[in-house]
Amino acid sequence: AAGVIQSPRHLIKEKRETATLKCYPIPRHDTVYWYQQGPGQDPQFLISFYEKMQSDKGSIPDRFSAQQFSDYHSELNMSSLELGDSALYFCASSPRVAGTGELFFGEGSRLTVL
Amino acid sequence: SQKIEQNSEALNIQEGKTATLTCNYTNYSPAYLQWYRQDPGRGPVFLLLIRENEKEKRKERLKVTFDTTLKQSLFHITASQPADSATYLCALSRFSNDYKLSFGAGTTVTVRA
Repeated sequence: AAGVIQSPRHLIKEKRETATLKCYPIPRHDTVYWYQQGPGQDPQFLISFYEKMQSDKGSIPDRFSAQQFSDYHSELNMSSLELGDSALYFCASSPRVAGTGELFFGEGSRLTVL
Repeated sequence: SQKIEQNSEALNIQEGKTATLTCNYTNYSPAYLQWYRQDPGRGPVFLLLIRENEKEKRKERLKVTFDTTLKQSLFHITASQPADSATYLCALSRFSNDYKLSFGAGTTVTVRA
């Protein structure tokens, strides 16, 4: 079965650079969630989209922005990168109306800021 | 502030034994509670979901209980196997129509052969 696809899987950037992460949800899933997981920490909710509109916002820095496109894929844009942005970034998807509550996570994108 | 707390220490158990993990929450009225498994460097994988009006759920060797009075969930892995070694995350959602989850820090389980 198709799963959530994230790219790139690994990314190395310098401080103050910009990074873009992509997420392709499971087909027919209309809701996308972004989470950030620092080393040894629990996943922290950043932002979510439902039907291409932002549905909720968590602890996402102002330097970050995200959107969901007409094909339901989502992109997380991170600018002015800081060392503390180094983390695993997970995308998850779910069908809002017919969903059972579980989130389907991708394998994550590991961002390293040097 | 809202808080989700899991077993603070890693759990080491012998193969065949039952692992019991605890998830406690404060200042929260979750619509449902979920348990996920996470292997190092991988995304969380859904295991079980239990709703606020349910007391217990089972799936194969897994069992979850939910006590909204105590604000606690227990997660049991029976007849544990080395392949069960992973970090287990407790996650809560406040609303039944919004699947945004708040996670606990997780409990790392190691099953010795």
